[in-house]
Amino acid sequence: NAGVMQNPRHLVRRRGQEARLRCSPMKGHSHVYWYRQLPEEGLKFMVYLQKENIIDESGMPKERFSAEFPKEGPSILRIQQVVRGDSAAYFCASSASLSGRRAKNIQYFGAGTRLSVL
Amino acid sequence: ILNVEQSPQSLHVQEGDSTNFTCSFPSSNFYALHWYRWETAKSPEALFVMTLNGDEKKKGRISATLNTKEGYSYLYIKGSQPEDSATYLCAFNGDSTLTFGKGTMLLVSP
Repeated sequence: NAGVMQNPRHLVRRRGQEARLRCSPMKGHSHVYWYRQLPEEGLKFMVYLQKENIIDESGMPKERFSAEFPKEGPSILRIQQVVRGDSAAYFCASSASLSGRRAKNIQYFGAGTRLSVL
Repeated sequence: ILNVEQSPQSLHVQEGDSTNFTCSFPSSNFYALHWYRWETAKSPEALFVMTLNGDEKKKGRISATLNTKEGYSYLYIKGSQPEDSATYLCAFNGDSTLTFGKGTMLLVSP
C-alpha cells in the first residue's frame, strides 16, 4: 500500500499522559500536513512540514503540541500532558514537491488517528 | 480568519436524482480550490483541484465549476447512486495551507 499511513488508528490516553501520532507520507512525497477534526467540526489545519523543517505552524496550539518530520522516518505529532479537549481525529496528508509555498498539488490523506482522552 | 462555507449541510436524495452543492470562499488572494470526497471510516479522497476562473472539471458523473471573482464553486452529481453517499469537502488554497469547509453530507437512497 503506497498511500499515506497513519498509526495508531485509535489511541486512548489518560489525562496528563503523552500522545504520539505517526504519519508516513506517500512514497516520493516530501511535504506533510497535519489536521485536526474536533467533534461536529470540519478539518482544521495545524502544521505544514517539509523534511527537517516546519514551514507553517499557524494552526498549532501554542503549548503542549509539537511536530517534526525528520530526515529519516515518519512525521510525528506529539501532544504532551493531554487533556479531554484534545480528543479528536487527527489526519495527516502528504503532497509532492510544490511550486513555491503554494499547496497547488493534491494532498493525499491518511485514514486518521482517533485520540480519546479519559 | 478565512471563511469557507458549504451548503447545504446535508442532503438526502433518491437514486437517479441529480444534485449539486455550493462552496463559497474569499475572492481575494485565491490560488486554488480543492474538492474532496470523504466516505465514512475512510480517508478524504481528492476529486478536483481548480485554479482558473471559469474552470470546469469532470470525473465520470461528477463535475465542478469555479467562479473566483464572486468566490464560489459548484459540485454537480448527475444520476446519483448509493455509492455516491459521502461527505463532500471543499478547501480554499490561498497560501501554503488549505482551509476546509465543514462539508456537505450526501445520502443517496436506493
